[in-house]
Amino acid sequence: DTGVSQDPRHKITKRGQNVTFRCDPISEHNRLYWYRQTLGQGPEFLTYFQNEAQLEKSRLLSDRFSAERPKGSFSTLEIQRTEQGDSAMYLCATPGEDYGYTFGSGTRLTVV
Amino acid sequence: KNEVEQSPQNLTAQEGEFITINCSYSVGISALHWLQQHPGGGIVSLFMLSSGKKKHGRLIATINIQEKHSSLHITASHPRDSAVYICAVKSGNEKLTFGTGTRLTIIP
Repeated sequence: DTGVSQDPRHKITKRGQNVTFRCDPISEHNRLYWYRQTLGQGPEFLTYFQNEAQLEKSRLLSDRFSAERPKGSFSTLEIQRTEQGDSAMYLCATPGEDYGYTFGSGTRLTVV
Repeated sequence: KNEVEQSPQNLTAQEGEFITINCSYSVGISALHWLQQHPGGGIVSLFMLSSGKKKHGRLIATINIQEKHSSLHITASHPRDSAVYICAVKSGNEKLTFGTGTRLTIIP
């Protein structure tokens, strides 16, 4: 079990549906990051929060994507009108101890 | 060309062999990370380096800032070391830029 909980672990959805993922850090952290990883590739940066403020967004984050961190603790990532190209592993991370970052186990999204 | 390149992409070795995975990057960085990813997706941070060398158990990570190169070594490799090893760099902003990973398989 990592210090970051992600829910759900797996999500299968039909193209065009909306989906929402949740990330819950166990400990309080100012910073929270979202990454996306497609099969055979390394993760790619999507966005990050400093407390409630979303400070940077990748060009990968089209207008169908929205992320929030309303109370500066948990975060949600919503994808509207899902497309097959959205199929990926969505990873959440917070600053770790000596080793840099603590990653959640991810939410694997499959759009059919 | 990717900002972070790893080699080899795949590596298969016998148990007990000394393993080296390489990472080259093309941008200025504030830190370099080595991460381990097992099947199912979970990523574990192994090292964060800004200079020199770090050791943790059978794992050793080195970085040469001038040459923009880092290596991850595994001594006395074991089948449980089988995983994808990912190099990632942190530049001036907050985001990490990842390599595509090296898939390591250790055969008993």
